[in-house]
Amino acid sequence: DVVMTQTPLSSPVTLGQSASISCRSSQSLVHSDGNTYLSWLQQRPGQPPRLLIYKISNRFSGVPDRFSGSGAGTDFTLKISRVEAEDVGVYYCMQDTHFPWTFGQGTKVEIQ
Amino acid sequence: EVQLVQSGGGLVQPGGSLRLSCEASGFTFSTYYMGWARQTPGKGLEWVANINQDGNEKHYLDSVRGRFTISRDNAKKSVYLQINNPRGDDTGVYYCVKEGFRQADYWGQGTLVTVSS
Repeated sequence: DVVMTQTPLSSPVTLGQSASISCRSSQSLVHSDGNTYLSWLQQRPGQPPRLLIYKISNRFSGVPDRFSGSGAGTDFTLKISRVEAEDVGVYYCMQDTHFPWTFGQGTKVEIQ
Repeated sequence: EVQLVQSGGGLVQPGGSLRLSCEASGFTFSTYYMGWARQTPGKGLEWVANINQDGNEKHYLDSVRGRFTISRDNAKKSVYLQINNPRGDDTGVYYCVKEGFRQADYWGQGTLVTVSS
């Protein structure tokens, strides 16, 4: 199975500042169709996960443009610009290229 | 508005059985893959199984293959997860998930499954 490794595991951030989360996969996430199926999910306290970003950098419907994704191959980054109080939660990267889909351990974003 | 409403879950004894259900609305159910994921204390988020549009293609996490069965009823806009012979490490919150093309785009509210004698 593809192992997804996130850093850091915890990210204290000041309101209005930026946060950045890295995700590394144990093998390339480039699919035979040429796409890279790397997603980012947000899980707020007591809520199910919610899709933020798919295929590395595409924001899902309703996701603010403060969230952006980048990367290629095995190294990916989620950036949250101008952090707001509602952004508190745990963020997961997820690969949908190789079955079984697998997730990172999660990065907890909290306001300091 | 896409909605995935889950039911089932609860306490089950090791070696017992349980069925989880998920009723969908707000999209053309029969045209999408559907899946189940879980969140456990030991392993965090795990993808458990998925099923294609007409139900003839299924994929399973190795640790549940042979014990769990995913199925769907397009007429009822529902997907199911039959859990047989559960183990303690199957304890966790189970989520029904709609799959866009290779993206987990909507998640149900989750249902707790506790495996204990």
